[in-house]
This record gives sequence, structure tokens and C-alpha cells, in this order.
Amino acid sequence: GQNIDQPTEMTATEGAIVQINCTYQTSGFNGLFWYQQHAGEAPTFLSYNVLDGLEEKGRFSSFLSRSKGYSYLLLKELQMKDSASYLCAVTDSNYQLIWGAGTKLIIKP
Amino acid sequence: GAVVSQHPSWVICKSGTSVKIECRSLDFQATTMFWYRQFPKQSLMLMATSNEGSKATYEQGVEKDKFLINHASLTLSTLTVTSAHPEDSSFYICSAVGQGDVYEQYFGPGTRLTVT
Repeated sequence: GQNIDQPTEMTATEGAIVQINCTYQTSGFNGLFWYQQHAGEAPTFLSYNVLDGLEEKGRFSSFLSRSKGYSYLLLKELQMKDSASYLCAVTDSNYQLIWGAGTKLIIKP
Repeated sequence: GAVVSQHPSWVICKSGTSVKIECRSLDFQATTMFWYRQFPKQSLMLMATSNEGSKATYEQGVEKDKFLINHASLTLSTLTVTSAHPEDSSFYICSAVGQGDVYEQYFGPGTRLTVT
């Protein structure tokens, strides 16, 4: 079956750095997405990785290792507004998005 | 940037009635739209894939006669929840993929449905 694993919840301090991991097992791979979702709102796109390596975009970076079926989202200089759920999703061989359950990130002052 | 709208943003209806939710791509043509449902504290669950001009493809366990999807144009897809029950209360989100773009989905803001 297809499976995406990420931690259920993480806590970090304002101004610090946090890494959210995601491992996946899917039938085929056509890219991995990270989305941010605030409570009661639709997800918003953060990043897309299809090749191995690190993609940096401002305070957020995303890393992919296809051979390990592994990705992480790195958030730097954490702000209170970063408190949200972070969803990892993989596009399989049929270009269907398989969603992880999301990681709830709690930022403390 | 690509914008997707949904209407209504929230709706309350009585058990047994039907509710229609609209999903529009405002500044691009969407050959494919997806309908998701999200229950509290859970991840998104794909309900169906809608391609313009053809019948929607429903995920296993989703009743096609209960959740009617119509993708009549390249900018509009509708989801009708028929004979709604309280267990249909959920957050319904649509997303759209532009022509020639299979790599990114643009999400609508979601519709909160409460069935009393």
C-alpha cells in the first residue's frame, strides 16, 4: 500500500529552527509537496521537490532523498504565525497526490 | 498567481436537503479539479477527480449518487451533497490543476458544511 509518515505534533520556540521529517512509500514518484494549513483554512503551497537535494525559499527549505524515500521541511527564525499543520504529499505514478496526516507545529514564545 | 474560489464559504442545512458547492478557477483554465473532504484533526481525503467534459472518478468508499460532481467548463466544477446527513458535516476543499501543469494544485479556501 501507499504510506506517508510524519510526526503528529512538534513544539518549538520562537526564533529557533525546526525540522519536520516525512518518509514515504508509494507506487511511483513524481514529486513531493509540502503544504501549510492553518486551522479552518485550505492548505497553501510551500515547496515542491522532484530531484534530490535542498530547495531553499526564504525561511523555509525542503530536502528530498528519493533513494531513502525521505524528505524534510526546515523552518528557520520561527515566528508565532508559523504555528500550523504541515502536510507532506507525494505524487505517485498516476500523478495522484497521496497525503500524509500532517504535523501540528506549536510555536512557544 | 493562480486563484481558486469556492462558494459558499460556509453553509448550514437541514438533514435530508441538498447543498451545492461551487469551485471556480478565476484566472486560469483548469482541466482537472479535485474534491477533498477534511474532518477535524485529520488530513485531507480525496473524494473524486473531475475532468472537464467527462464523468468524475470517485475514490473507493465515496458514493457517487450522494456526492454529485459536475465539471461543465474549464473554470467551474460543482459538488452537490444530496440528502445530507449530520455525518456529512465536514470541510470540503477543491483544488485545480492548470492546463499542461500536473505538478501543482491550487486550492480553494474551502467550504464548511454543517448538517443539522
